Amino acid sequence: GEDVEQSLFLSVREGDSSVINCTYTDSSSTYLYWYKQEPGAGLQLLTYIFSNMDMKQDQRLTVLLNKKDKHLSLRIADTQTGDSAIYFCAETNTGFQKLVFGTGTRLLVSP
Amino acid sequence: ETGVTQTPRHLVMGMTNKKSLKCEQHLGHNAMYWYKQSAKKPLELMFVYSLEERVENNSVPSRFSPECPNSSHLFLHLHTLQPEDSALYLCASSQDGVYEQYFGPGTRLTVT
Repeated sequence: GEDVEQSLFLSVREGDSSVINCTYTDSSSTYLYWYKQEPGAGLQLLTYIFSNMDMKQDQRLTVLLNKKDKHLSLRIADTQTGDSAIYFCAETNTGFQKLVFGTGTRLLVSP
Repeated sequence: ETGVTQTPRHLVMGMTNKKSLKCEQHLGHNAMYWYKQSAKKPLELMFVYSLEERVENNSVPSRFSPECPNSSHLFLHLHTLQPEDSALYLCASSQDGVYEQYFGPGTRLTVT
């Protein structure tokens, strides 16, 4: 079946850039997503990318997609303490109802 | 985010108890989902309801029983749970054909 993998933890200093990585196995993925989960809250969609794109930028967020290597990354510029959260990568190829999520990467931003 | 609400937020139950989790969406969506979130594991999709019909059941044990009485409400009925069922249970909703799912804050379930 499909599999999505992420590293479990990333620590950065405030003001630095953060890069969170994700690899997936399904070569027919059509949409790939980044969700953010703050403590005590549900998941919030940050951004998404279609599989026919290789980059998407949205304010401080940059998503890079390497379809050949099945690698997705999320870059957060000028990381703030409020960015501390768990970030989930997800993909789908069977329609928007069936998303396959990674384990999540916990980002800790220190002052 | 108050679009999707879940109650209770925390629940402790014994293995012989029966309880229910409730989810309500105020977004006018027509699809609703239950996910299980365990530590260090990927989010697991449990059930999907579209237009109040169950369209996905990911090999979930029968001790979990979903109910969708209308497009705004979703329940997860629990009975004879095991300690390994302790997790955060997340509800989500979406509009058919639209890529984004909106999540509730979750119910933290502890089975003793």
